[in-house]
Amino acid sequence: EPEVTQTPSHQVTQMGQEVILRCVPISNHLYFYWYRQILGQKVEFLVSFYNNEISEKSEIFDDQFSVERPDGSNFTLKIRSTKLEDSAMYFCASRASGGLSSYEQYFGPGTRLTVT
Amino acid sequence: AQRVTQPEKLLSVFKGAPVELKCNYSYSGSPELFWYVQYSRQRLQLLLRHISRESIKGFTADLNKGETSFHLKKPFAQEEDSAMYYCALSGDNAGNMLTFGGGTRLMVKP
Repeated sequence: EPEVTQTPSHQVTQMGQEVILRCVPISNHLYFYWYRQILGQKVEFLVSFYNNEISEKSEIFDDQFSVERPDGSNFTLKIRSTKLEDSAMYFCASRASGGLSSYEQYFGPGTRLTVT
Repeated sequence: AQRVTQPEKLLSVFKGAPVELKCNYSYSGSPELFWYVQYSRQRLQLLLRHISRESIKGFTADLNKGETSFHLKKPFAQEEDSAMYYCALSGDNAGNMLTFGGGTRLMVKP
């Protein structure tokens, strides 16, 4: 069964550095998402992406964040200048475009980002 | 604004006992409600959704619009049901983002 994949599984970076988190969504899916979960807190929506543009973003998704689908298969989340409070598990998700299966978002295993 | 509340962080039951994981939501439109499950060291996966009115692994959930609830139930818990359970809501926004509750850890003791 196809799965969403994410790399790396764990990223350690210093405050102020740029990081890029990578995701490969399921191949025929058209909607893509990033969520994050700070340790001990809720899973929070960051951004949704469709047709090569952001369709919705949360207040968390400020100018330090950006997303891109550079090559038709990867979906990336970039944090320009990391802060300590960006430390979290970041989940990528994708979903199909039509039918009952379009209601389900398929999640990747997550990337744990640690900012020191 | 949309909000999902799961009042219990931890629910511990014995094998064979009934289970009810509570979920309440706040949303002004017509929501779609989901239960996601995360087993140890695995990814979040969809357990069930209210529109399909199905039973998965013996779990059911009924959307009660009057009480704005979507509680997850199973009549006889099994040890393999031990996991983190998240209730989630999708509204009628363009991106169909999910709003998650805080999650309930279910522990089923032998």
